[in-house]
Amino acid sequence: AQRVTQPEKLLSVFKGAPVELKCNYSYSGSPELFWYVQYSRQRLQLLLRHISRESIKGFTADLNKGETSFHLKKPFAQEEDSAMYYCALSRTGRRALTFGSGTRLQVQP
Amino acid sequence: EAGVAQSPRYKIIEKRQSVAFWCNPISGHATLYWYQQILGQGPKLLIQFQNNGVVDDSQLPKDRFSAERLKGVDSTLKIQPAKLEDSAVYLCASSLVGQRTDTQYFGPGTRLTVL
Repeated sequence: AQRVTQPEKLLSVFKGAPVELKCNYSYSGSPELFWYVQYSRQRLQLLLRHISRESIKGFTADLNKGETSFHLKKPFAQEEDSAMYYCALSRTGRRALTFGSGTRLQVQP
Repeated sequence: EAGVAQSPRYKIIEKRQSVAFWCNPISGHATLYWYQQILGQGPKLLIQFQNNGVVDDSQLPKDRFSAERLKGVDSTLKIQPAKLEDSAVYLCASSLVGQRTDTQYFGPGTRLTVL
């Protein structure tokens, strides 16, 4: 069975500091990895997906199959980045997502 | 474009009562998902529909939970009878065709409290 682990429940940084939200997964096949974000009083929404190799709002994430990780990074945190971040995986032939338990990012002024 | 709609937004019931949630996906989206999110956890898939057929209901507690998607559009999720451990946010999501890389669009959720 697949599993997504986000080891940190809370990550607190100061504005302008680098951010790294950790995500590790276990899955024997070829996964699709995603980061979803939920801002205060808003819906859960897609931030980025590994297959697109894109940078959204300054965030990037690289899939490391050797370490089975998909960490989310941003070089300079902004206060508006404060939110709940979920790492998610979809399996080969499946569309539904398996989510991690989430990391709350607090960016302090 | 209107997003995924869900109602009610909040529901409080006593254990052993029944409850139903409604979801209206984004127009044209063939795939619909129901997730359960217990406090402190990530969303967990309960059931996935492709049009009006069930694709995956392996994690749906079928002794008390049921769901349907008549005409391949709206969907309802029912719990009967409810237990204390069913207290959670129930999220509905939809995607265009259900490809693995599709974006899933989430509704605002229904927060259920079982007393």
